[in-house]
Amino acid sequence: DTGVSQNPRHKITKRGQNVTFRCDPISEHNRLYWYRQTLGQGPEFLTYFQNEAQLEKSRLLSDRFSAERPKGSFSTLEIQRTEQGDSAMYLCASSGRDGGNTIYFGEGSWLTVV
Amino acid sequence: QKEVEQNSGPLSVPEGAIASLNCTYSDRGSQSFFWYRQYSGKSPELIMFIYSNGDKEDGRFTAQLNKASQYVSLLIRDSQPSDSATYLCAVWGSARQLTFGSGTQLTVLP
Repeated sequence: DTGVSQNPRHKITKRGQNVTFRCDPISEHNRLYWYRQTLGQGPEFLTYFQNEAQLEKSRLLSDRFSAERPKGSFSTLEIQRTEQGDSAMYLCASSGRDGGNTIYFGEGSWLTVV
Repeated sequence: QKEVEQNSGPLSVPEGAIASLNCTYSDRGSQSFFWYRQYSGKSPELIMFIYSNGDKEDGRFTAQLNKASQYVSLLIRDSQPSDSATYLCAVWGSARQLTFGSGTQLTVLP
């Protein structure tokens, strides 16, 4: 399967700890997105990369959140000093030049902060 | 006003009926429109996209777009219990981001 891959799929962490999620996009896709989704809500945009450049960043993304895509392939999303309000599903998605604005999601990484 | 609005539901239809899901958006510069299906505990799965006014059909699914009214809908014909899920409307707007509604929960009753 060559879809978007995310890991870990589930993470339980204590408040105040740091967590990192990894995303491997569809191989030919140059655009990569991170979204966050809480129960009963649609996904909320966090940030967007085209190749290795981070082109957009939501105002929702506090300074505790940082994302990288160092070689334009996989990406990491790190959350420092986690808070209970960070508990959510973190979704990675990708799109390619030919696909226009059509984005495809990975299976998501569930974060629970206790 | 939310950028993308959907009725949260739940919407219940009997098996074999037509399910109609609606979405309105506020950004007149929006260019493309998407419907995703999301089963409980899973990630969103793309069903259809539409760029031009009118209807677009794919199997049992029909997307309808009216840019003048800033309205997009999804019709599901011959609804099946396996169609029971949350349906998310998403809009690619002038901010070059895909913005989602909160979703409509659909239940198809056997």
